[in-house]
Amino acid sequence: GNSVTQMEGPVTLSEEAFLTINCTYTATGYPSLFWYVQYPGEGLQLLLKATKADDKGSNKGFEATYRKETTSFHLEKGSVQVSDSAVYFCALGYGQNFVFGPGTRLSVLP
Amino acid sequence: SQTIHQWPATLVQPVGSPLSLECTVEGTSNPNLYWYRQAAGRGLQLLFYSIGIDQISSEVPQNLSASRPQDRQFILSSKKLLLSDSGFYLCAWRAGTGTGYSPLHFGNGTRLTVT
Repeated sequence: GNSVTQMEGPVTLSEEAFLTINCTYTATGYPSLFWYVQYPGEGLQLLLKATKADDKGSNKGFEATYRKETTSFHLEKGSVQVSDSAVYFCALGYGQNFVFGPGTRLSVLP
Repeated sequence: SQTIHQWPATLVQPVGSPLSLECTVEGTSNPNLYWYRQAAGRGLQLLFYSIGIDQISSEVPQNLSASRPQDRQFILSSKKLLLSDSGFYLCAWRAGTGTGYSPLHFGNGTRLTVT
């Protein structure tokens, strides 16, 4: 079946540090891939997406590339801010269903 | 533009009481609708999804049920709540048709505490 694995953290970084959150997936067929962000007490917000191999999704300084050969969709940001502190979820979509990773909590210290 | 409304935002209910959570979507038609539950500090569990009125799929057996009385309305219910039903409930929608693979869009969630 389809599944998503991501580093669970928590990840603690200083402001302006480089961020990588690893995400790998297992899927039959060719899923679309997504990163969502959840701030405390809120629902999930779509951060970026990629619908086919080698696509790069980007938004608000975050980016991730759909790597079919390594079945990965790692999230990166060159310089994090305190306001980026949140939980990040990697997800795949296939047919009517979405599968989410367990989430990675990021804390950015000033 | 499309918006999703979910209410109430918080709810405290005693064990054995009924539950009704409501979700509505505006600005689109024929959406696919979803209910997820998020336990404290954990990931998302898909409870139900619907591709149309009276077309609801249940992903996990439990004492919850879902209904879709109108195209853009999705209701999560229980006749008798259990302590284990506590959690953060999220409604989501995505476009049922169109080009490309559309993402999920989430509401702000309902924090349910069963006491």
